[in-house]
Amino acid sequence: SAVISQKPSRDICQRGTSLTIQCQVDSQVTMMFWYRQQPGQSLTLIATANQGSEATYESGFVIDKFPISRPNLTFSTLTVSNMSPEDSSIYLCSVLASGFSYEQYFGPGTRLTVT
Amino acid sequence: DQQVKQNSPSLSVQEGRISILNCDYTNSMFDYFLWYKKYPAEGPTFLISISSIKDKNEDGRFTVFLNKSAKHLSLHIVPSQPGDSAVYFCAATGANNLFFGTGTRLTVIP
Repeated sequence: SAVISQKPSRDICQRGTSLTIQCQVDSQVTMMFWYRQQPGQSLTLIATANQGSEATYESGFVIDKFPISRPNLTFSTLTVSNMSPEDSSIYLCSVLASGFSYEQYFGPGTRLTVT
Repeated sequence: DQQVKQNSPSLSVQEGRISILNCDYTNSMFDYFLWYKKYPAEGPTFLISISSIKDKNEDGRFTVFLNKSAKHLSLHIVPSQPGDSAVYFCAATGANNLFFGTGTRLTVIP
Protein backbone atom coordinates (compact mmCIF):
# COMPACT_ATOMS: atom_id res chain seq x y z
CA SER A 1 0.00 0.00 0.00
CA ALA A 2 1.03 3.60 -0.51
CA VAL A 3 1.51 6.03 2.34
CA ILE A 4 0.28 9.50 1.49
CA SER A 5 0.82 12.65 3.49
CA GLN A 6 -0.72 16.06 3.01
CA LYS A 7 0.22 19.51 4.24
CA PRO A 8 -1.35 21.45 5.80
CA SER A 9 -3.82 19.23 7.60
CA ARG A 10 -6.11 22.21 8.08
CA ASP A 11 -6.16 25.94 7.55
CA ILE A 12 -8.41 28.93 7.96
CA CYS A 13 -7.98 31.45 5.18
CA GLN A 14 -9.29 34.86 4.27
CA ARG A 15 -11.51 35.39 1.29
CA GLY A 16 -9.53 36.35 -1.82
CA THR A 17 -6.30 34.64 -0.80
CA SER A 18 -4.80 31.41 -2.15
CA LEU A 19 -3.66 28.23 -0.45
CA THR A 20 -1.34 25.58 -1.79
CA ILE A 21 -1.84 22.02 -0.56
CA GLN A 22 1.01 19.56 -0.82
CA CYS A 23 0.69 15.81 -1.34
CA GLN A 24 3.62 13.45 -0.86
CA VAL A 25 3.56 9.71 -1.70
CA ASP A 26 6.11 7.22 -0.43
CA SER A 27 6.39 5.50 -3.83
CA GLN A 28 6.52 6.57 -7.44
CA VAL A 29 3.12 6.75 -9.08
CA THR A 30 2.06 7.85 -12.52
CA MET A 31 -1.35 9.25 -11.71
CA MET A 32 -2.36 11.34 -8.74
CA PHE A 33 -5.89 12.53 -8.12
CA TRP A 34 -7.26 15.53 -6.29
CA TYR A 35 -10.72 15.34 -4.72
CA ARG A 36 -12.93 17.75 -2.87
CA GLN A 37 -15.50 16.86 -0.25
CA GLN A 38 -17.78 19.74 0.58
CA PRO A 39 -19.83 19.56 3.77
CA GLY A 40 -22.52 16.90 3.47
CA GLN A 41 -21.45 16.05 -0.06
CA SER A 42 -19.73 13.15 -1.72
CA LEU A 43 -16.11 13.16 -2.79
CA THR A 44 -15.81 14.88 -6.15
CA LEU A 45 -12.84 14.52 -8.46
CA ILE A 46 -11.24 17.87 -9.28
CA ALA A 47 -8.46 16.73 -11.58
CA THR A 48 -6.00 14.00 -12.47
CA ALA A 49 -2.33 14.94 -12.33
CA ASN A 50 0.16 13.02 -14.44
CA GLN A 51 3.87 13.69 -14.13
CA GLY A 52 5.23 15.57 -17.08
CA SER A 53 1.93 16.72 -18.51
CA GLU A 54 -0.82 19.16 -17.69
CA ALA A 55 -3.49 18.07 -15.28
CA THR A 56 -6.83 16.92 -16.64
CA TYR A 57 -9.73 18.78 -15.03
CA GLU A 58 -13.25 17.49 -14.52
CA SER A 59 -16.30 19.39 -15.56
CA GLY A 60 -16.85 22.38 -13.31
CA PHE A 61 -13.19 22.78 -12.36
CA VAL A 62 -10.69 25.01 -14.16
CA ILE A 63 -6.95 25.44 -14.05
CA ASP A 64 -7.11 29.13 -13.15
CA LYS A 65 -9.00 28.31 -9.98
CA PHE A 66 -7.22 25.07 -9.08
CA PRO A 67 -3.71 25.09 -10.57
CA ILE A 68 -1.88 21.81 -10.04
CA SER A 69 1.78 21.00 -10.17
CA ARG A 70 3.31 17.55 -10.59
CA PRO A 71 7.08 18.04 -10.60
CA ASN A 72 7.96 14.37 -10.01
CA LEU A 73 6.46 10.94 -9.47
CA THR A 74 6.02 11.29 -5.70
CA PHE A 75 4.75 14.83 -5.23
CA SER A 76 1.93 17.11 -6.29
CA THR A 77 0.41 20.40 -5.21
CA LEU A 78 -3.08 21.80 -5.56
CA THR A 79 -3.63 25.53 -5.20
CA VAL A 80 -7.04 26.91 -4.34
CA SER A 81 -6.95 30.42 -5.79
CA ASN A 82 -8.90 33.55 -4.96
CA MET A 83 -10.81 31.67 -2.29
CA SER A 84 -14.41 32.26 -1.31
CA PRO A 85 -16.43 30.64 1.50
CA GLU A 86 -17.82 28.17 -1.05
CA ASP A 87 -14.32 26.69 -1.30
CA SER A 88 -14.51 25.51 2.31
CA SER A 89 -14.02 21.77 1.94
CA ILE A 90 -11.82 18.85 2.66
CA TYR A 91 -9.30 18.41 -0.14
CA LEU A 92 -7.80 14.96 -0.61
CA CYS A 93 -5.17 13.54 -2.89
CA SER A 94 -5.13 9.91 -3.90
CA VAL A 95 -3.23 7.39 -6.01
CA LEU A 96 -4.16 4.13 -7.65
CA ALA A 97 -3.41 1.01 -5.63
CA SER A 98 -1.72 -0.43 -8.72
CA GLY A 99 -1.59 0.20 -12.41
CA PHE A 100 -4.38 -2.28 -13.02
CA SER A 101 -6.62 -1.44 -10.13
CA TYR A 102 -9.63 0.75 -9.60
CA GLU A 103 -8.78 0.99 -5.93
CA GLN A 104 -7.30 4.22 -4.68
CA TYR A 105 -5.33 5.12 -1.59
CA PHE A 106 -6.20 8.47 -0.08
CA GLY A 107 -4.24 10.99 1.88
CA PRO A 108 -5.57 12.22 5.23
CA GLY A 109 -7.08 15.33 3.67
CA THR A 110 -6.72 19.08 4.17
CA ARG A 111 -9.62 20.78 5.87
CA LEU A 112 -9.95 24.29 4.48
CA THR A 113 -12.19 26.95 5.97
CA VAL A 114 -12.56 30.23 4.14
CA THR A 115 -13.88 33.19 6.11
CA ASP B 1 -26.62 14.86 -10.92
CA GLN B 2 -25.68 12.30 -8.28
CA GLN B 3 -24.91 9.00 -10.00
CA VAL B 4 -24.23 7.15 -6.77
CA LYS B 5 -26.61 7.61 -3.87
CA GLN B 6 -26.56 6.60 -0.26
CA ASN B 7 -29.95 7.58 1.06
CA SER B 8 -29.28 6.81 4.71
CA PRO B 9 -26.96 9.38 6.23
CA SER B 10 -26.64 7.40 9.45
CA LEU B 11 -27.15 3.95 10.92
CA SER B 12 -26.88 2.65 14.49
CA VAL B 13 -26.41 -1.03 15.25
CA GLN B 14 -25.77 -3.02 18.41
CA GLU B 15 -22.42 -4.73 18.71
CA GLY B 16 -22.58 -8.29 17.42
CA ARG B 17 -25.52 -7.63 15.12
CA ILE B 18 -25.47 -7.19 11.37
CA SER B 19 -24.92 -3.80 9.75
CA ILE B 20 -26.38 -3.32 6.29
CA LEU B 21 -25.36 -0.25 4.32
CA ASN B 22 -27.12 0.45 1.06
CA CYS B 23 -26.15 2.19 -2.13
CA ASP B 24 -28.00 2.89 -5.37
CA TYR B 25 -26.60 3.97 -8.70
CA THR B 26 -28.06 5.25 -11.93
CA ASN B 27 -25.43 4.51 -14.58
CA SER B 28 -25.71 1.00 -16.02
CA MET B 29 -22.24 1.40 -17.55
CA PHE B 30 -20.52 1.20 -14.18
CA ASP B 31 -18.49 -2.00 -14.13
CA TYR B 32 -16.78 -1.90 -10.75
CA PHE B 33 -18.02 -0.96 -7.31
CA LEU B 34 -16.09 -0.22 -4.15
CA TRP B 35 -16.71 0.52 -0.50
CA TYR B 36 -14.49 2.84 1.48
CA LYS B 37 -14.38 3.47 5.21
CA LYS B 38 -13.43 6.83 6.63
CA TYR B 39 -12.48 7.72 10.19
CA PRO B 40 -12.42 11.34 11.35
CA ALA B 41 -9.34 13.29 10.25
CA GLU B 42 -8.25 10.46 7.97
CA GLY B 43 -8.66 9.83 4.28
CA PRO B 44 -10.97 7.09 3.04
CA THR B 45 -9.50 3.59 3.08
CA PHE B 46 -10.48 0.88 0.67
CA LEU B 47 -12.59 -1.86 2.22
CA ILE B 48 -14.00 -4.21 -0.39
CA SER B 49 -15.01 -4.20 -4.04
CA ILE B 50 -17.07 -6.13 -6.54
CA SER B 51 -17.01 -6.44 -10.29
CA SER B 52 -20.26 -6.02 -12.20
CA ILE B 53 -19.97 -9.61 -13.41
CA LYS B 54 -20.44 -10.89 -9.87
CA ASP B 55 -23.28 -10.63 -7.42
CA LYS B 56 -21.40 -11.27 -4.20
CA ASN B 57 -17.95 -10.80 -2.78
CA GLU B 58 -16.96 -11.76 0.73
CA ASP B 59 -13.93 -10.80 2.80
CA GLY B 60 -14.05 -11.85 6.41
CA ARG B 61 -16.82 -10.00 8.19
CA PHE B 62 -17.57 -7.90 5.12
CA THR B 63 -19.76 -8.98 2.24
CA VAL B 64 -20.86 -6.85 -0.68
CA PHE B 65 -23.93 -7.79 -2.69
CA LEU B 66 -24.71 -6.42 -6.14
CA ASN B 67 -28.15 -6.42 -7.74
CA LYS B 68 -27.61 -5.09 -11.23
CA SER B 69 -31.25 -5.21 -12.27
CA ALA B 70 -32.11 -2.95 -9.34
CA LYS B 71 -28.87 -0.93 -9.66
CA HIS B 72 -28.33 -1.53 -5.99
CA LEU B 73 -25.47 -2.72 -3.85
CA SER B 74 -25.17 -3.31 -0.17
CA LEU B 75 -22.42 -3.88 2.35
CA HIS B 76 -23.05 -6.34 5.15
CA ILE B 77 -20.88 -6.33 8.24
CA VAL B 78 -21.36 -9.24 10.58
CA PRO B 79 -20.77 -9.31 13.43
CA SER B 80 -20.51 -5.55 13.85
CA GLN B 81 -17.82 -4.26 16.18
CA PRO B 82 -17.38 -0.85 17.83
CA GLY B 83 -14.24 -0.31 15.72
CA ASP B 84 -16.45 -0.43 12.64
CA SER B 85 -17.94 2.93 13.62
CA ALA B 86 -17.01 5.21 10.72
CA VAL B 87 -18.44 6.82 7.61
CA TYR B 88 -18.82 4.37 4.74
CA PHE B 89 -18.74 5.54 1.14
CA CYS B 90 -19.75 3.47 -1.82
CA ALA B 91 -18.17 4.30 -5.16
CA ALA B 92 -18.58 3.19 -8.73
CA THR B 93 -16.46 3.45 -11.83
CA GLY B 94 -16.75 2.70 -15.52
CA ALA B 95 -13.74 4.60 -16.75
CA ASN B 96 -11.08 6.59 -14.96
CA ASN B 97 -13.45 8.45 -12.69
CA LEU B 98 -14.64 7.22 -9.34
CA PHE B 99 -18.12 8.42 -8.42
CA PHE B 100 -18.78 8.50 -4.71
CA GLY B 101 -21.95 8.47 -2.67
CA THR B 102 -22.43 10.95 0.16
CA GLY B 103 -21.62 8.40 2.82
CA THR B 104 -23.41 6.67 5.68
CA ARG B 105 -22.22 7.15 9.24
CA LEU B 106 -22.29 3.82 11.03
CA THR B 107 -22.31 3.76 14.81
CA VAL B 108 -21.86 0.41 16.50
CA ILE B 109 -23.11 0.55 20.05
CA PRO B 110 -21.19 -1.58 22.57
